[in-house]
Amino acid sequence: AQKITQTQPGMFVQEKEAVTLDCTYDTSDPSYGLFWYKQPSSGEMIFLIYQGSYDQQNATEGRYSLNFQKARKSANLVISASQLGDSAMYFCAMRESYSSASKIIFGSGTRLSIRP
Amino acid sequence: DGGITQSPKYLFRKEGQNVTLSCEQNLNHDAMYWYRQDPGQGLRLIYYSQIVNDFQKGDIAEGYSVSREKKESFPLTVTSAQKNPTAFYLCASAVPTSGAGELFFGEGSRLTVL
Repeated sequence: AQKITQTQPGMFVQEKEAVTLDCTYDTSDPSYGLFWYKQPSSGEMIFLIYQGSYDQQNATEGRYSLNFQKARKSANLVISASQLGDSAMYFCAMRESYSSASKIIFGSGTRLSIRP
Repeated sequence: DGGITQSPKYLFRKEGQNVTLSCEQNLNHDAMYWYRQDPGQGLRLIYYSQIVNDFQKGDIAEGYSVSREKKESFPLTVTSAQKNPTAFYLCASAVPTSGAGELFFGEGSRLTVL
C-alpha cells in the first residue's frame, strides 16, 4: 500500500540558509509521481515541484529542488536561500501510476519557521 | 478565471445533521478529490473520482458520501454517521494528462459541529 512519511514535525531555520525537508515513501508500483506542496497560514495549497519515478534528473523549480533517491525511496525538498515568506506547512505527496486520475496521498507535513 | 470553487467557506452544524459541501471546477479536469485536514495535521483522502458517475473510497470514507453527476461538480456530504466531522475540507482536481498532473485546490470549507 502507498505510504508517505515526513518525520520532521517542525523546523526552525535562519533566513538565507538552505533547508532540507525529509520525505520517504513506500509503494509497490514502479510508476509513480512525487509532489511537494506549501500551505501558508491562510490554508491555500500551493504546488511547488514534481518528480516522476522514471525521471533521470532531480527536479528543480527556482529555489526549490527535489533530492530524489529512488533506491532509498526518499524525495527530500531542498529550499535554497530561505526567505521569511517560506514559513509555512510543507507536504509531500505521492500518486501511484502515471495516471492523473489515480489516488494521491499526503504525508503529515513539516512546519517550517524562518527566523529573521 | 479558471479554478475550483468551494462553498460555503465556513459552516456550522448541529450534531445529527447531514451537511453538503459544494465543489465546482471549470478547468475541464477529469479527476476530482476530497481531503480532510485536522489542525496541525496532513491531508487525508476521503473520496476521489476519475470520471463522471464513478468514484472510489479513499482512506477515511466512513461517514461521508459523494456524487459525480457532472464533470464540473463533486459535492461531498458529511453524514450524521461521521463521528468527528469538525475539520477543514479541501477539494481538488487534477490535470487531465499523464506526467505531473498536479492537484489544483479550492480554498477549503471549514466545518464546525456544535
